[in-house]
Amino acid sequence: SQQGEEDPQALSIQEGENATMNCSYKTSINNLQWYRQNSGRGLVHLILIRSNEREKHSGRLRVTLDTSKKSSSLLITASRAADTASYFCATGRNSGNTPLVFGKGTRLSVIA
Amino acid sequence: GAVVSQHPSWVICKSGTSVKIECRSLDFQATTMFWYRQFPKQSLMLMATSNEGSKATYEQGVEKDKFLINHASLTLSTLTVTSAHPEDSSFYICSARSPGTGVTGELFFGEGSRLTVL
Repeated sequence: SQQGEEDPQALSIQEGENATMNCSYKTSINNLQWYRQNSGRGLVHLILIRSNEREKHSGRLRVTLDTSKKSSSLLITASRAADTASYFCATGRNSGNTPLVFGKGTRLSVIA
Repeated sequence: GAVVSQHPSWVICKSGTSVKIECRSLDFQATTMFWYRQFPKQSLMLMATSNEGSKATYEQGVEKDKFLINHASLTLSTLTVTSAHPEDSSFYICSARSPGTGVTGELFFGEGSRLTVL
């Protein structure tokens, strides 16, 4: 079953603008991860935020986590056309080598 | 980072035939691999967890006799779609964690295999 629910489902912005995607989940988590998928390709890990962290940065990416609201957001600053892709949040169980459960994803289009 | 390779990237087959998809961890050993399925413009749905040397664990609603998983070595898991039908057409993706990322860390994904059943 799907754990995360992203919104918006689709987002179209101009190059240089910021893109914000949100994710909500249902159960307790050990961490929350964001992945990117180019059309027809595999997924690439972007960033992981632990349940005891509130915010994390990696280059142009900023992730926040609010465990009380069971939600996370991914901000991509100064977007580029190459950022066009689908973005998924994913959560796993608290322990063990268990699979991740992915949200529905946000399809981001960055227009040059 | 760790590399997971999947083969073939795409395959077209006739209805009723079986198709095997391979997933290899190229630079690490993976006792566990995860198989996902993705329909167009949708999310990844977990199909099964592949365990080296033992039976796979299937998610509810996934037919184990239809989707045969074999994890015969620490670097190879295979998914065989048996007696494929058009509704099995989908994008199949495997993934694994490298030992260095811990048991709850990031997953490394193969490039996926697009199956089209005519």
